[in-house]
Amino acid sequence: TQLLEQSPQFLSIQEGENLTVYCNSSSVFSSLQWYRQEPGEGPVLLVTVVTGGEVKKLKRLTFQFGDARKDSSLHITAAQPGDTGLYLCAGQQGAQKLVFGQGTRLTINP
Amino acid sequence: KAGVTQTPRYLIKTRGQQVTLSCSPISGHRSVSWYQQTPGQGLQFLFEYFSETQRNKGNFPGRFSGRQFSNSRSEMNVSTLELGDSALYLCASSQGGGTYEQYFGPGTRLTVT
Repeated sequence: TQLLEQSPQFLSIQEGENLTVYCNSSSVFSSLQWYRQEPGEGPVLLVTVVTGGEVKKLKRLTFQFGDARKDSSLHITAAQPGDTGLYLCAGQQGAQKLVFGQGTRLTINP
Repeated sequence: KAGVTQTPRYLIKTRGQQVTLSCSPISGHRSVSWYQQTPGQGLQFLFEYFSETQRNKGNFPGRFSGRQFSNSRSEMNVSTLELGDSALYLCASSQGGGTYEQYFGPGTRLTVT
């Protein structure tokens, strides 16, 4: 059983379109992080959200933490080919443990 | 600051052999975590070391072990390799507290034949 469910698992869209990736759980997390991983590399931290209802923006990327701190979403506006990659959400449980979702593999076609 | 480094980047081993992977964390980071990444299972937590002590452990068999040295560098060892151990092994360092943000290395791609 996956503690953190990400959807969709795969997404292929055209450049310029908008998209949203979801990260859901029945568990409460003290914080939630989003990472992006490109082929042959390790994941790179994009953002950390801590407070329920928190919204953070990183250029064209908008991250939201659910009010109950059980879910999160990542919205990309006007997607570009450089946004292609594997997006991973990770929830923090306890003081020093992260649980990762299965990831969303995003492809942006020129 | 230099990022997390892992050596080697690629490794091919035969079933039954053992392997040791190395990780150097970001300077000043005292926590090192190891993860296994496969297409089917995603990113799975192996263990975490903080100040030379294993602080957390995932659900992997005893064939997987690790250690951390006084300079925070860490090694991971897998004994009696199985075909299913083929994976990308990622090391991540962290300051060790707070929101526990992980800074990953590029990984070691292990292939067991």
